[in-house]
Amino acid sequence: KAGVTQTPRYLIKTRGQQVTLSCSPISGHRSVSWYQQTPGQGLQFLFEYFSETQRNKGNFPGRFSGRQFSNSRSEMNVSTLELGDSALYLCASSSSTDSYEQYFGPGTRLTVT
Amino acid sequence: GNSVTQMEGPVTLSEEAFLTINCTYTATGYPSLFWYVQYPGEGLQLLLKATKADDKGSNKGFEATYRKETTSFHLEKGSVQVSDSAVYFCALDKAAGNKLTFGGGTRVLVKP
Repeated sequence: KAGVTQTPRYLIKTRGQQVTLSCSPISGHRSVSWYQQTPGQGLQFLFEYFSETQRNKGNFPGRFSGRQFSNSRSEMNVSTLELGDSALYLCASSSSTDSYEQYFGPGTRLTVT
Repeated sequence: GNSVTQMEGPVTLSEEAFLTINCTYTATGYPSLFWYVQYPGEGLQLLLKATKADDKGSNKGFEATYRKETTSFHLEKGSVQVSDSAVYFCALDKAAGNKLTFGGGTRVLVKP
């Protein structure tokens, strides 16, 4: 079974631009969660989607948004990029909202200049 | 709110040494507890988990026991290998939601 895939793997953007990251979960998994990893703040939860509905949200500004499609693929969007948004963005999928096992993708490395 | 505290690294060991990484948590109720490992340039891999008090999670020679009385979930391995060099994250998930709260991570370097 294929794992979680994220595209693109690397991205360089300029301050003020917007960016869209994509995540394809493991086949059959309906829950997708997004995390931001930075050296200063560590791993922080962004949001979680299940069956196209956002079920949980972390403490991030409204510039960070996401959505999930009927095939469970998810996208996250960051508008008006700031230098501090440079990070590794990880998505994770699981088979249900309380399966307690999340499978992570390799991440998208976003650099904002 | 929920929080996870783990020992800061880096932890440098020789091959076949004993590894312990301390992890304590703050949460109401009974969270599920996890250890994840991140190898260079990769995402996170679930190493082991425990979903209730006194459960012991184990995998690939690593073990951790859910201690409710001390709110701890320390990771141990009896004999490390160079291939165990990675960053280890302790995490908790409080009830339904797939919303992990992570510790700061501990970098482990095993030298031959």
